[in-house]
Amino acid sequence: KQEVTQIPAALSVPEGENLVLNCSFTDSAIYNLQWFRQDPGKGLTSLLLIQSSQREQTSGRLNASLDKSSGRSTLYIAASQPGDSATYLCAVRLVDSNYQLIWGAGTKLIIKP
Amino acid sequence: ETGVTQSPTHLIKTRGQQVTLRCSSQSGHNTVSWYQQALGQGPQFIFQYYREEENGRGNFPPRFSGLQFPNYSSELNVNALELDDSALYLCASTLGGVSTDTQYFGPGTRLTVL
Repeated sequence: KQEVTQIPAALSVPEGENLVLNCSFTDSAIYNLQWFRQDPGKGLTSLLLIQSSQREQTSGRLNASLDKSSGRSTLYIAASQPGDSATYLCAVRLVDSNYQLIWGAGTKLIIKP
Repeated sequence: ETGVTQSPTHLIKTRGQQVTLRCSSQSGHNTVSWYQQALGQGPQFIFQYYREEENGRGNFPPRFSGLQFPNYSSELNVNALELDDSALYLCASTLGGVSTDTQYFGPGTRLTVL
């Protein structure tokens, strides 16, 4: 059974710092991995999608990496800003079980001005 | 803005009642998925529809059912509500094959069961 874990559960850093969020999964048989952002009272916004054959994806100040063999992904945020404050979730799409997404519980990020 | 809308925004029901939640996807998005997100947890997959047929289901009992309509709208129905059904319910749509495409989420419906 696929399990997705995100550490830490919460993180508070000063504005301007570079930071890394971690995601680990137990079964390497995945189609892809996605990072999402969730703001309070709002739905989820897809940030980056990494196919199983890829090693990383970049969008602006965000860079996500994927190491299937070790069951790990990281989300790197450069030059953090208060607007980056949100909960960040990773999700893996299974190869079987009709491609459903399995989610981590998220990391709540607070960027202090 | 993802182009996916959900109604209502909030809902309060009592145990044993039935509820219908609605989702309107982007035009052309043939796949819709529904998720339950309890407070402080990641979403849990309920089921998925592709062109009006259910083609995937998570570990939820049959009292959770759904429909997808040709106009890219969909419904989640929950019968015999229980206290543990209190959660944020999210729908997400995808343009085509779910294995590679990005999902676009609605803002969710917050359901409280008393």
